Amino acid sequence: AQSVAQPEDQVNVAEGNPLTVKCTYSVSGNPYLFWYVQYPNRGLQFLLKYITGDNLVKGSYGFEAEFNKSQTSFHLKKPSALVSDSALYFCAVRDPTGGFKTIFGAGTRLFVKA
Amino acid sequence: DGGITQSPKYLFRKEGQNVTLSCEQNLNHDAMYWYRQDPGQGLRLIYYSQIVNDFQKGDIAEGYSVSREKKESFPLTVTSAQKNPTAFYLCASSSTGVRNTEAFFGQGTRLTVV
Repeated sequence: AQSVAQPEDQVNVAEGNPLTVKCTYSVSGNPYLFWYVQYPNRGLQFLLKYITGDNLVKGSYGFEAEFNKSQTSFHLKKPSALVSDSALYFCAVRDPTGGFKTIFGAGTRLFVKA
Repeated sequence: DGGITQSPKYLFRKEGQNVTLSCEQNLNHDAMYWYRQDPGQGLRLIYYSQIVNDFQKGDIAEGYSVSREKKESFPLTVTSAQKNPTAFYLCASSSTGVRNTEAFFGQGTRLTVV
């Protein structure tokens, strides 16, 4: 069965500092991995994805993520955080051999202080 | 504008009532999903559908029902058998192609039992 874990409920970072939001996954095959962001009382917005190819993927708003197969991780990163990055971030995984069932992590709340 | 529309935004249900949440998309996506979001638990998959007239149970399908009679529509009914229905419900859709496989989300429906 596929699963995804976000070990941190909350991440605090100062504006201008780099940020990392962690994600680990478990699937039986090669995973499709995604990051989404959610602002209060809104739906989720897609940030970036890893399907195949280069382990470092770049996405919207300056975010990037690195796929690490040996550590089964897909951490979200940004070199310089903005106050407007404060939101709830979700990692998601799909096992392509299992159809289109997509499983989400519990979410990590990011606080960026000025 | 292409997108995915959920209605209503807020819904109140009396004990013992069935209620139906609407989800419509004009993105020409084959796959559609329903998730439930509770504080601290992330998104949990209720049902998903990869094609018209076919759908599969997710991880928490008990007390819910869906239909997929049209490609554009995937309504969710919360039945009286669902004992704790108060939550934020999110509908999503995605292409079934490999490259464009990320999900697009609606703005959500907040259901409250009164």
